[in-house]
Order: sequence, then structure tokens, then C-alpha cells
Amino acid sequence: EPEVTQTPSHQVTQMGQEVILRCVPISNHLYFYWYRQILGQKVEFLVSFYNNEISEKSEIFDDQFSVERPDGSNFTLKIRSTKLEDSAMYFCASSPGLAGGKEETQYFGPGTRLLVL
Amino acid sequence: GQNIDQPTEMTATEGAIVQINCTYQTSGFNGLFWYQQHAGEAPTFLSYNVLDGLEEKGRFSSFLSRSKGYSYLLLKELQMKDSASYLCALNTGFQKLVFGTGTRLLVSP
Repeated sequence: EPEVTQTPSHQVTQMGQEVILRCVPISNHLYFYWYRQILGQKVEFLVSFYNNEISEKSEIFDDQFSVERPDGSNFTLKIRSTKLEDSAMYFCASSPGLAGGKEETQYFGPGTRLLVL
Repeated sequence: GQNIDQPTEMTATEGAIVQINCTYQTSGFNGLFWYQQHAGEAPTFLSYNVLDGLEEKGRFSSFLSRSKGYSYLLLKELQMKDSASYLCALNTGFQKLVFGTGTRLLVSP
């Protein structure tokens, strides 16, 4: 069964450094998402992406964050200058489309655990 | 905005039935998802309710009442591997899911 994959599984970085988290969505899906989950807290929406542009973003997704689909398979989240509070699990997700019903189901990757020191 | 409430933790015995409730307040939404999340892992899809009523899928069923702002997930014939967090999430229709804090279910022998 097709799955969303993410690399790396763990990333440790120093405050102020740039990080890029990578995702390969399910191949025939059209919508891509990033969520984060701070340890012990709920899953929070960051951004959605469709047709090579951002379609929705949350207040968390400020100018320090950016997303890109550099080729036909990868979807990346970049944090330009990491802060301590960026430490979290970052999940990528994809969905087939927005035709309604099961087409809207989002499938999550295994996550990248980011630790900012 | 949206507000979602779920019990923090529930316990049950192997073989039993458990119902996990989710109440919400929102101005509008497309549907309501239930996801399972084992510690340190990704949420995995369980069910999606768009219309009022019960959706059954094996040992798992989910119910939605839009007029009451209420949903539940019913797990039958509980197994030890069902110990996990169960996340209720509103599909707001703007390509984003809004999650509740989740209910941690502990299944004991």
C-alpha cells in the first residue's frame, strides 16, 4: 500500500540554523500538508499546498517557514532560523483531492522529530 | 474558530467495548475524522463521517450528529494493541484539519 515517507526521522540542530525537512507524498495525491506536534500537545496545522502554491496557512507558519515542491515527487518544509520552540514532531500528509468524502482523507507520514538546541 | 473536547484518558479491559466521545463547536465543517496515534508515531486514518449517522468498519464504528455537535468512536473486542491515543479532527473545508487534544486509551489484560 502506498505510503507517505519522510526524511530524516530525527534532526538535531542549533538555534538559528536552517533546516529542511523532506517528504515524498503518495504518488497520485494532489494536496500536500505539513503539521507539527509539540511533545504532549495536539497536532497543529501549518500549511496546505496545491498546484504548486500555498492554499492555506496557519498563524504558526510565519516568514521563517517556507514550502516547496522542487520536483515531481518531493515536498519540503524549510525553517530558516530555528528557535527553541520549533522543537516538535513534523508530519507531512497528502490527500487524493477535494472531491468530497474519502477524497479528502489525509494520510500522514511517520514524521521528523526536530530538536533545536 | 473551532473548539474540540475529548476526555484526556480512558481505561478498558481486553475484549470489552469502549466509546470515546468528541464534542465540538464550529461555524461549519465538511466532516469529522478519527485517527489513531501510537506514541511517537504518525496519526493513522480510522474513519470519516460526513453525514449524520453511524459508519461501521470492522471492530471500529464512528457516529456523527451535526445538530448536537457530537461524535463518538466505538471500539469493540478490544485488543492490547488498541492502546493508543484517538484523535478527533474537524475537516474545516479549507484544506486543513483541526485536531482535538486526543484521548489516551489504556487497554489492560
